[in-house]
Amino acid sequence: GQQLNQSPQSMFIQEGEDVSMNCTSSSIFNTWLWYKQDPGEGPVLLIALYKAGELTSNGRLTAQFGITRKDSFLNISASIPSDVGIYFCAGPLINYGQNFVFGPGTRLSVLP
Amino acid sequence: DAGVIQSPRHEVTEMGQEVTLRCKPISGHDYLFWYRQTMMRGLELLIYFNNNVPIDDSGMPEDRFSAKMPNASFSTLKIQPSEPRDSAVYFCASSLGRRYTDTQYFGPGTRLTVL
Repeated sequence: GQQLNQSPQSMFIQEGEDVSMNCTSSSIFNTWLWYKQDPGEGPVLLIALYKAGELTSNGRLTAQFGITRKDSFLNISASIPSDVGIYFCAGPLINYGQNFVFGPGTRLSVLP
Repeated sequence: DAGVIQSPRHEVTEMGQEVTLRCKPISGHDYLFWYRQTMMRGLELLIYFNNNVPIDDSGMPEDRFSAKMPNASFSTLKIQPSEPRDSAVYFCASSLGRRYTDTQYFGPGTRLTVL
C-alpha cells in the first residue's frame, strides 16, 4: 500500500538556523499536506500542496510538491523556539475519499 | 468556534475493562475521523464518518473496537475489552469535506493507558 517516509527522523538545531526536511513515497500522490504537532496537542495543518512543482509559503515555512509527485519538501527559515514539535507529511491514500496516510514524522528541537 | 472537543483527556484503566472515548466535532463539519497515535505505528486512521454514516472502518484493529455517531455533534469510540497494547493517544478530527483535501481539524486527543 501507499506508505510515506520522512527524513530526518529528528533534528537538533540552533535558534536562527534554517531547517529542511522531506517526505518520500514509492507511489504517486496528487496532494501533499504538512502538519505540525505540538507536545500534548493534535496535529495542525501548515501547508497544502495540490500540483506537481508547486511552491507554497506560510510565513517562515515553505513547502514544495516534487515534480515526480513522489516527494515533498518543507523548509523553515530562521527557526525560533516555538518551531519545536513533530512535523508530519500526509496524503490521500486513494484519489478520492477522505482516507489519509501520515508519515512517521520529523521531530524538531530548537536550542536557544 | 471551540474546535474539536474530546473527553476524557486522560484515561487509565485495567486490562479487560470497557473504555469509551468521546468526541464533539466542529459544528457544520460533515466528516468525523478517529485516529490512533503510537510511537511504533505513528498516526493511523481507524474510521471515518460522513453525515453520521461510517464510510471506511478498515483501520479498526479488531472487533474489540467499535465507533458510533448517533448525531452530527457526537461520536464515541469504544474498546471492549481493553488490552495493554491499546495504550495510545486517540485523536478525533473533523472537516467540512467539500473536497477530499479539506483541512482536518484535530482535537487535543485522549491519552489512554491500559494496565
